[in-house]
Amino acid sequence: EVQLVESGGGLVQPGGSLRLSCAASGFTFSSYSMNWVRQAPGKGLEWVSYISISSSTIYYADSVKGRFTISRDNAKNSLYLQMNSLRAEDTAVYYCASTGGRGSYYQYMDVWGKGTTVTVSS
Amino acid sequence: EIVLTQSPGTLSLSPGERATLSCRASQSVSSSYLAWYQQKGGQAPRVLIYGATSRATGIPDRFSGSGSGTDFTLTISRLEPEDFAVYYCQQYGSSPYTFGQGTKLEIK
Repeated sequence: EVQLVESGGGLVQPGGSLRLSCAASGFTFSSYSMNWVRQAPGKGLEWVSYISISSSTIYYADSVKGRFTISRDNAKNSLYLQMNSLRAEDTAVYYCASTGGRGSYYQYMDVWGKGTTVTVSS
Repeated sequence: EIVLTQSPGTLSLSPGERATLSCRASQSVSSSYLAWYQQKGGQAPRVLIYGATSRATGIPDRFSGSGSGTDFTLTISRLEPEDFAVYYCQQYGSSPYTFGQGTKLEIK
């Protein structure tokens, strides 16, 4: 079964750091680009970051640029999001999502995890 | 940044009716790299349509996508009770990969 499982969420104070992980199984992780998407309570979806298969291409939303770092370890079938200088507005459910395949046409978000909750509050 | 505007914000229809959801982009979406997602309460989103018109694996054929350039549409030909949810469009043609604000499809 194709599966993505996020972990690492929790309560953190403003200015703090957190590292999210996403464990992939049931598919060839190293063949798919990956994304992080978040959803603040009661709000819509917000794309956060993208990383290509070999980590050669990385994109960030302006709202997290300079504070968040996406990375992956293909040997461990894992995706990461290092979040620094956290703010109250970063409070959200964070989803990891794999793309649909190789090539630009398939860079939509195909398989999603169930999400992990990050709460930034004092 | 490409801004996606979805309309209407809320759509009230009855099972069996046809639903038409709109997504308008502030500039042309590269190669029609536009996807539609469905999200039900407390669940992760699931992809319905990619490339503006291609149905994802396992998606019923009552869901269809159309459009190009700046105007895109998701049509549900005959609503089933399980279709009432929130729908998002998203462009993945250029970074940042933006989402629309969503359309809530509710039972009338």
